[in-house]
Amino acid sequence: DAKTTQPPSMDCAEGRAANLPCNHSTISGNEYVYWYRQIHSQGPQYIIHGLKNNETNEMASLIITEDRKSSTLILPHATLRDTAVYYCIVRDMNTGFQKLVFGTGTRLLVSP
Amino acid sequence: DVKVTQSSRYLVKRTGEKVFLECVQDMDHENMFWYRQDPGLGLRLIYFSYDVKMKEKGDIPEGYSVSREKKERFSLILESASTNQTSMYLCASSPTSLGLNTEAFFGQGTRLTVV
Repeated sequence: DAKTTQPPSMDCAEGRAANLPCNHSTISGNEYVYWYRQIHSQGPQYIIHGLKNNETNEMASLIITEDRKSSTLILPHATLRDTAVYYCIVRDMNTGFQKLVFGTGTRLLVSP
Repeated sequence: DVKVTQSSRYLVKRTGEKVFLECVQDMDHENMFWYRQDPGLGLRLIYFSYDVKMKEKGDIPEGYSVSREKKERFSLILESASTNQTSMYLCASSPTSLGLNTEAFFGQGTRLTVV
């Protein structure tokens, strides 16, 4: 069962920041928050992950609340190519095997 | 460039046929996964494997089986295909590294239609 809750859809204007929320209120201390996205007709693609601290890479930023019960993925300057379904996942990284369980994700539509 | 390759992009099979979906990864990953994706339901885990000849049921294993005879290859088998197994099937692999990033890589998917 997915342990995350995301809004089904969001809209964003091109060039603006897209802020995608995720609730993971039952997250445990060993679990990391991962984000993937799936562009139409392709397999999901890794974006970013984090445990407690905020993280940034060339694709996005991840903000995790202090109680770790929610997080936000930020695409600072959304482009039309960022239109995709975004998945938030929690994974226990302290076991040798990490099962990936997806929810239904957020469909982000970036418009001109 | 890392790669997960699924043998077919599109497949049409008849009801009752035995269907094999093949997945090969070239990254020496221990973990491999099979998902199906249906509109409104997201990605649902069918089976996964964390080592050669090891397999575990996911959330929706009914009607499916898997085989992992070699580390790089993970096969999904539909013993007797039914129309409700018409779906997009996605294979993924990831390494096992305790406490480290174990990013999963996905194939392009196989769109299976059972008629």
